[in-house]
Amino acid sequence: AQSVAQPEDQVNVAEGNPLTVKCTYSVSGNPYLFWYVQYPNRGLQFLLKYITGDNLVKGSYGFEAEFNKSQTSFHLKKPSALVSDSALYFCAVRDRADDYKLSFGAGTTVTVRA
Amino acid sequence: DTGVSQNPRHKITKRGQNVTFRCDPISEHNRLYWYRQTLGQGPEFLTYFQNEAQLEKSRLLSDRFSAERPKGSFSTLEIQRTEQGDSAMYLCASSLDQGYNSPLHFGNGTRLTVT
Repeated sequence: AQSVAQPEDQVNVAEGNPLTVKCTYSVSGNPYLFWYVQYPNRGLQFLLKYITGDNLVKGSYGFEAEFNKSQTSFHLKKPSALVSDSALYFCAVRDRADDYKLSFGAGTTVTVRA
Repeated sequence: DTGVSQNPRHKITKRGQNVTFRCDPISEHNRLYWYRQTLGQGPEFLTYFQNEAQLEKSRLLSDRFSAERPKGSFSTLEIQRTEQGDSAMYLCASSLDQGYNSPLHFGNGTRLTVT
């Protein structure tokens, strides 16, 4: 079974400050990890993925994420947050044994204040 | 870029009625997924198609739910005898047949309200 935990329901930061959204995962084998963002009344938009290779992956809109196998974490980061980054962020994991199914965390609401 | 299209965007129905939603995936994508999202939760997997074949159904998908993907193109999700607990956002997603490596591309969803 695979699962994802996002320990923070909400993250609040000031514009220009670093943003971190936390994610930990559990899978039986090697994980494939994804981050998605959701704006109000919209579907999810793909931000970035980790499959293999470098632990630091870069994605859309200046976001990056760091894979840490020993801590089973995949935290999303942005060096300088924008007000427009305010949205709902989801971490997701896919077990290599079940390549069709993507399991999502409960989401973290990010609010960036001007 | 034509993304995943879902219709209708909103559906309000009375308990006991049947509803049907449609999803048009990105044209070259042969994988299609249905997810359900309730307030404060992440999307939950419902079912998955590879072309026209329905390969997996979640235990969340009761006998009142049925999904089809005729000819491997668009898909429909039907809910019979709706219940208030069916109220949710129903999301459709599609991807290329690259297995684990393929991110899902989501539509904007159909929000169902059962009164």
